[in-house]
Amino acid sequence: GAVVSQHPSRVICKSGTSVKIECRSLDFQATTMFWYRQFPKKSLMLMATSNEGSKATYEQGVEKDKFLINHASLTLSTLTVTSAHPEDSSFYICSASPLERSYNEQFFGPGTRLTVL
Amino acid sequence: GQNIDQPTEMTATEGAIVQINCTYQTSGFNGLFWYQQHAGEAPTFLSYNVLDGLEEKGRFSSFLSRSKGYSYLLLKELQMKDSASYLCAVMDSNYQLIWGAGTKLIIKP
Repeated sequence: GAVVSQHPSRVICKSGTSVKIECRSLDFQATTMFWYRQFPKKSLMLMATSNEGSKATYEQGVEKDKFLINHASLTLSTLTVTSAHPEDSSFYICSASPLERSYNEQFFGPGTRLTVL
Repeated sequence: GQNIDQPTEMTATEGAIVQINCTYQTSGFNGLFWYQQHAGEAPTFLSYNVLDGLEEKGRFSSFLSRSKGYSYLLLKELQMKDSASYLCAVMDSNYQLIWGAGTKLIIKP
């Protein structure tokens, strides 16, 4: 149980285009979903926390107009990288916390490798 | 500021035991997590400690001392598939996860 999927797993796009990444909890309902990015050999950096039906909370330094997050249901959150540039190339990972857990355990998706040319 | 420290890289031999240490300084404490991350993949949950002491789960054990701001992950009977990065993360008083940079564990035959 507690499976989180991400789509696409890899995407290559031209500079200036927008890319949407989907994160789904497949067998549980997630009150909260988290979006991270990870650079090579670096730890995860939390970008934003999204709660179903409300606006996402962005971490300091993360542009909300650049990284649009929508948490439309208890099983789906999307991250859209708008007008992507080469510096946005990174590994993007989502995670979800199940409602019924007594502690805030996060289950991670498999990640999306974004390459902007 | 908040800080998680763990060694950058460790090497061990197949069949042996290895201990990966993690020290932390955070604003509040609501538990410490260990995750395993293979190259190019997302992290997978290994353990959660919120009380002092040792939690054992098969070949993996995790220890916590809150007074010392210290934890370790102990891996026994190492297998080649254990080669991965091991991430220590602490949940602070705002229930935010603060991540360490990870320890790359290299297993040699």
